[in-house]
Amino acid sequence: DSGVTQTPKHLITATGQRVTLRCSPRSGDLSVYWYQQSLDQGLQFLIQYYNGEERAKGNILERFSAQQFPDLHSELNLSSLELGDSALYFCASSVSVGNYGYTFGSGTRLTVV
Amino acid sequence: AQSVTQLGSHVSVSEGALVLLRCNYSSSVPPYLFWYVQYPNQGLQLLLKYTTGATLVKGINGFEAEFKKSETSFHLTKPSAHMSDAAEYFCAVSDLAGGSEKLVFGKGTKLTVNP
Repeated sequence: DSGVTQTPKHLITATGQRVTLRCSPRSGDLSVYWYQQSLDQGLQFLIQYYNGEERAKGNILERFSAQQFPDLHSELNLSSLELGDSALYFCASSVSVGNYGYTFGSGTRLTVV
Repeated sequence: AQSVTQLGSHVSVSEGALVLLRCNYSSSVPPYLFWYVQYPNQGLQLLLKYTTGATLVKGINGFEAEFKKSETSFHLTKPSAHMSDAAEYFCAVSDLAGGSEKLVFGKGTKLTVNP
């Protein structure tokens, strides 16, 4: 157990739908990162939050959004889902002073049918 | 912008043989470099990291990597492969532009260990 908790582990939904992925960071970590892992694109950085504020944005689609709550858990919202959004979505957390590597959760596997 | 190239998407070795997974990076600033391992149906686990200081970095499970600035490389090695090393390995470089701590990952190398 890495200490980063992601729910749900698996999600199957239809095209056009909206889903929410949840992440609880490791105790004491203030930063949360979201990554998408797909066969064709590999691991792609989506977005980073630090202590409730958006800190960096990567290749995140406009249909996707995220937030970090006061208790530091984070949610990634994916809407108007397309078949191509099927992927593994990872959350990671770190203390976020410099970058000394962060801790990943076990991921949410999203299948859009 | 930083980038990472992992040479060889698949590497196969015999149990007990040397493991060598290659990683070259591109960075306009001194890089922080990482190796992660991903076992099937699991998240990524940090194997080792280079930030500053000694260029030979030792990690978990007997792995080590050497930062070679002149070659822009950070190859991962293990003297003797074990069956439990079979997994996918990712090299990553830190992109510190704009205060972000995002990682840029290579495409990964799947390691197979044959008995």
